Amino acid sequence: ETGVTQTPRHLVMGMTNKKSLKCEQHLGHNAMYWYKQSAKKPLELMFVYNFKEQTENNSVPSRFSPECPNSSHLFLHLHTLQPEDSALYLCASSQDQVGPSGNTIYFGEGSWLTVV
Amino acid sequence: AQTVTQSQPEMSVQEAETVTLSCTYDTSESNYYLFWYKQPPSRQMILVIRQEAYKQQNATENRFSVNFQKAAKSFSLKISDSQLGDTAMYFCAYTNTGNQFYFGTGTSLTVIP
Repeated sequence: ETGVTQTPRHLVMGMTNKKSLKCEQHLGHNAMYWYKQSAKKPLELMFVYNFKEQTENNSVPSRFSPECPNSSHLFLHLHTLQPEDSALYLCASSQDQVGPSGNTIYFGEGSWLTVV
Repeated sequence: AQTVTQSQPEMSVQEAETVTLSCTYDTSESNYYLFWYKQPPSRQMILVIRQEAYKQQNATENRFSVNFQKAAKSFSLKISDSQLGDTAMYFCAYTNTGNQFYFGTGTSLTVIP
């Protein structure tokens, strides 16, 4: 238990479906992230939110739409995805502060997405 | 720009032996944080060890320790008494402030029984 919870853990969706991934952090952090991890590839940063404001969008296709209603929740809305979007999607959070747990990123267990 | 380099894509070690994973980074900052994360087959990214750059003492967590060489910008992870459960992908990471993290490409470690 890292304090970052992702649902669902596994998702299979068709290319015409609309679905969402959810992330919730219970650590009181002010930043949340979405990463994509494909097989045999490095971690790819997709989006960063600081205090609910999007501060980074790494040229992610518009078929991925993030939403951050508050500092504890982060969503990734998915629509008209492609098979190459099948991957592990990792949510994470961090707090920019001095201290033993500050400036450390904590990850959820990930959501396995398969696009058919 | 900050970069993190892990030059060993794959490594293996015999059970109960010691293995060292390498990581180098590039930064112009004087204060920053370095990390090693473990990602087992379950794919959960788990924090293994954390080092604050202004602390000269190398961080240790049970069987895991680091060799932090600030001048050389090197941050290696030593795993002592390797166990089968240590089989995983290991990622080196860097941050200074501002919630920006940089990850290496990972080293796949296999512990052989």
